[in-house]
Amino acid sequence: DVKVTQSSRYLVKRTGEKVFLECVQDMDHENMFWYRQDPGLGLRLIYFSYDVKMKEKGDIPEGYSVSREKKERFSLILESASTNQTSMYLCASSSSNYGYTFGSGTRLTVV
Amino acid sequence: AQSVTQLDSHVSVSEGTPVLLRCNYSSSYSPSLFWYVQHPNKGLQLLLKYTSAATLVKGINGFEAEFKKSETSFHLTKPSAHMSDAAEYFCVVRWFSGGYNKLIFGAGTRLAVHP
Repeated sequence: DVKVTQSSRYLVKRTGEKVFLECVQDMDHENMFWYRQDPGLGLRLIYFSYDVKMKEKGDIPEGYSVSREKKERFSLILESASTNQTSMYLCASSSSNYGYTFGSGTRLTVV
Repeated sequence: AQSVTQLDSHVSVSEGTPVLLRCNYSSSYSPSLFWYVQHPNKGLQLLLKYTSAATLVKGINGFEAEFKKSETSFHLTKPSAHMSDAAEYFCVVRWFSGGYNKLIFGAGTRLAVHP
C-alpha cells in the first residue's frame, strides 16, 4: 500500500524554537507539498518541490523554509516558531499524472 | 488564476435525505476539479475527480458531482445520506504554472448527519 508518512502526529513546541516536520513518501513521486489546515480556511499551500533540491514558494511561505535532499523526503522547517503557526500540517506527494496522496497530518501546537 | 468557493461552511441533513454541497470555481482554462473528504482525525481521501471527460462524475460511497461550465459550478450530491458521511468536504481545483501543478482548496464544508 503506497503511503505518505509524517513523522509526528502531535507536536508541542515553545515559541522561538526551531521545528522540523518530516515527510517521507514511498511512491517515487517527483512532486511534494506542504499545506497547513486551519478551520474555515481550508488547506493553504506553504511550499512545494518538483525535484530534489528544488523548491517553490506557495501561497503562505513566510516563517517557513523547506529542504529536499532526497526524492522521498521533504522537510518543513519553522525557523523560529510562533503561536500563529499552531495548526495542522499536511504533506502530500504526486506524480506527473497528478495523482495526489496525503499524509495523516501533524498537529503542531506552539506555546 | 484559479480559485474555488464553497458556498456553505456547514450543512446539516437527516439520515436518508439528499446531500448537496455547493462549489463554484474560477479558472482561466478548462479546469481539473476534485472533491476530497476528511473524516475526524483521518487523512484526506479523494472522492471523485473531473478532468474534461464526462460532465457527470461518479465517485466513491455513492457521491457524484456535475461539472457545469455555464454556471462555473461543481456541486457534490448524494441521494441518501448515511451517518458515516459526517465529515468535512473540500472542493479543489488543480492549478498549472511553469510546468508544474498544485492543488488549490476551498475553505471546506462540514456535513452533519442527524438520525
